Amino acid sequence: KAGVTQTPRYLIKTRGQQVTLSCSPISGHRSVSWYQQTPGQGLQFLFEYFSETQRNKGNFPGRFSGRQFSNSRSEMNVSTLELGDSALYLCASSDSYGAYEQYFGPGTRLTVT
Amino acid sequence: GQQVMQIPQYQHVQEGEDFTTYCNSSTTLSNIQWYKQRPGGHPVFLIQLVKSGEVKKQKRLTFQFGEAKKNSSLHITATQTTDVGTYFCAGPSGGYQKVTFGTGTKLQVI
Repeated sequence: KAGVTQTPRYLIKTRGQQVTLSCSPISGHRSVSWYQQTPGQGLQFLFEYFSETQRNKGNFPGRFSGRQFSNSRSEMNVSTLELGDSALYLCASSDSYGAYEQYFGPGTRLTVT
Repeated sequence: GQQVMQIPQYQHVQEGEDFTTYCNSSTTLSNIQWYKQRPGGHPVFLIQLVKSGEVKKQKRLTFQFGEAKKNSSLHITATQTTDVGTYFCAGPSGGYQKVTFGTGTKLQVI
């Protein structure tokens, strides 16, 4: 089976712009979670989707949003980018709701200038 | 909210030495997972522990879940250069499926 894929892999944006990141889970996986990884804050949970519904949300401002499509692919959007949003954004999929064994994608490295 | 701390933050070992990282949660965990992230890579699932006092082994790696289900450890016997990376524990917190990752332990093998 193909692994989790994320696009784009690298992105450079300017403060105030918005960005959309994409994640395709492992075939058959219906749960997708998003994480932000920074050297200072570590791995922080953004949100989790299952069957097109957001099931859980982390402590991030409303500028961070996401959605999941009927084919389980997910997108994450960050509006009004700030310098502090520079991070590695990781997507992880699992085969069922409540399954904690997660498979991560390679991530999208976002740099905000 | 729940906090999951790992110690040490960094560890340098000579190849062949043993290594242990400890994971401590501020709340009781129903289960705990361990992940490894190689430099420049993404976290890779290693194992999940569910039962109090559970011990699991994967070749040179030994994972243990505390009796109170608030702590866990990962022990590597006779480290190799392939063990280099950051090891994270992770556990559910608050709502179902919401996962809190530990602060991570970065292992360097010299």
